[in-house]
Amino acid sequence: SQTIHQWPATLVQPVGSPLSLECTVEGTSNPNLYWYRQAAGRGLQLLFYSVGIGQISSEVPQNLSASRPQDRQFILSSKKLLLSDSGFYLCAWMRRFGPPLHFGNGTRLTVT
Amino acid sequence: AQSVSQHNHHVILSEAASLELGCNYSYGGTVNLFWYVQYPGQHLQLLLKYFSGDPLVKGIKGFEAEFIKSKFSFNLRKPSVQWSDTAEYFCAVDSGYSTLTFGKGTMLLVSP
Repeated sequence: SQTIHQWPATLVQPVGSPLSLECTVEGTSNPNLYWYRQAAGRGLQLLFYSVGIGQISSEVPQNLSASRPQDRQFILSSKKLLLSDSGFYLCAWMRRFGPPLHFGNGTRLTVT
Repeated sequence: AQSVSQHNHHVILSEAASLELGCNYSYGGTVNLFWYVQYPGQHLQLLLKYFSGDPLVKGIKGFEAEFIKSKFSFNLRKPSVQWSDTAEYFCAVDSGYSTLTFGKGTMLLVSP
């Protein structure tokens, strides 16, 4: 069966520090991978998605970037965190032929 | 761009009451529709999905949803809620571009 791992579960970082959140998927090949941000009362906002190694689509211009160095690895990064980057970040994957979307447990990021 | 609208941000019900959560989407073409649920402290889980066929779909835990194409709606229903149904519910639409667009979510609180 397929599983998705996302870490860390919680993270507290000072403003201006770098960020790296990792996500890996097991049990499937060539998945589509996604980073969403969830904010209370605002639903899920798609940040980035990837349909293959090195292929990143950005949905919202911001202080974050994403990379896909391996088929089943997706990384969310920032060079310098802002207070507004605080939030709950979710990694997800989908099979190539379509939905549904399967989510990881999320990372609660607090920028202080 | 497609959008998803969930009518209620917060719903409070007593146990055994009937539930209907509204969801409307803006995309006019062929869509796949989903309801996801997030129980307190847990990750997002797929509740049910509609791809084609019978517009009345049944999901886990007694939930069902009806796709009404003419109304661009996909409302979630449950005849009798339980305290354990307390969660946040998200409607989502996939229009075939490898991404899902989510509504802002509805927080359901069921009082025992």
